[in-house]
Amino acid sequence: QSVLTQPPSVSAAPGQKVTISCSGSSSNIGNNYVSWYQQVPGTAPKLLIYDNNMRPSGIPDRFSGSKSGTSATLGITGLQTGDEADYYCGTWDGSLSAWVFGGGTKLTVL
Amino acid sequence: QAQLVESGGGVAQPGGSLRLSCAASGFSFSSYGMYWVRQAPGKGLDWVAFIRYDGSNKYYADSVKGRFTISRDNSKNTLYLQMNSLRVEDTAVYYCAKGSGSNSGGRLDCWGQGTLVTVS
Repeated sequence: QSVLTQPPSVSAAPGQKVTISCSGSSSNIGNNYVSWYQQVPGTAPKLLIYDNNMRPSGIPDRFSGSKSGTSATLGITGLQTGDEADYYCGTWDGSLSAWVFGGGTKLTVL
Repeated sequence: QAQLVESGGGVAQPGGSLRLSCAASGFSFSSYGMYWVRQAPGKGLDWVAFIRYDGSNKYYADSVKGRFTISRDNSKNTLYLQMNSLRVEDTAVYYCAKGSGSNSGGRLDCWGQGTLVTVS
């Protein structure tokens, strides 16, 4: 059971938009920055969004992030087949003194 | 450009030991906190341990506390994970990751390619 809660899977057609939620508590999301990671099967995770809504260089603006209270959301617009991957939210939990991840969400582009 | 390369994975028996290494390059290793994260086959990401930039603070997941030890040698730009009393459930790909600051929190902005540990 992960500290952060994500839906196990989401799907949408090419060109459409999808959102992935990440729910936590005041000890993690509520008081720390959230980051998102993309993992294509068989490869290492890659930072996708940091500080709730910032994109590292090279990440297209089709990817966006937001945070409200103890929840965060990843948005992907203009879906492409290459976006099929597992997506994880993560943040520091001050009460646990631990980095925590969501359970991951598998994105399928139909 | 920051780069991390893990090594030391392999097969170990239950109760055995392994030491993983993570060689860092392309950034000032001694200025950043570092993480170990693992991923069991077909499962999600699981944080293992964190070490502060100077090694003065270390944090561990409850599942590995007392069995694993994270350390670093800033003179060699290398991060380590000593794994003792290994269990079957420790079987996973182990990734090292660079933090974005000297202390905990922030983001994991660079990941290695991972090294597979099999306990059987």
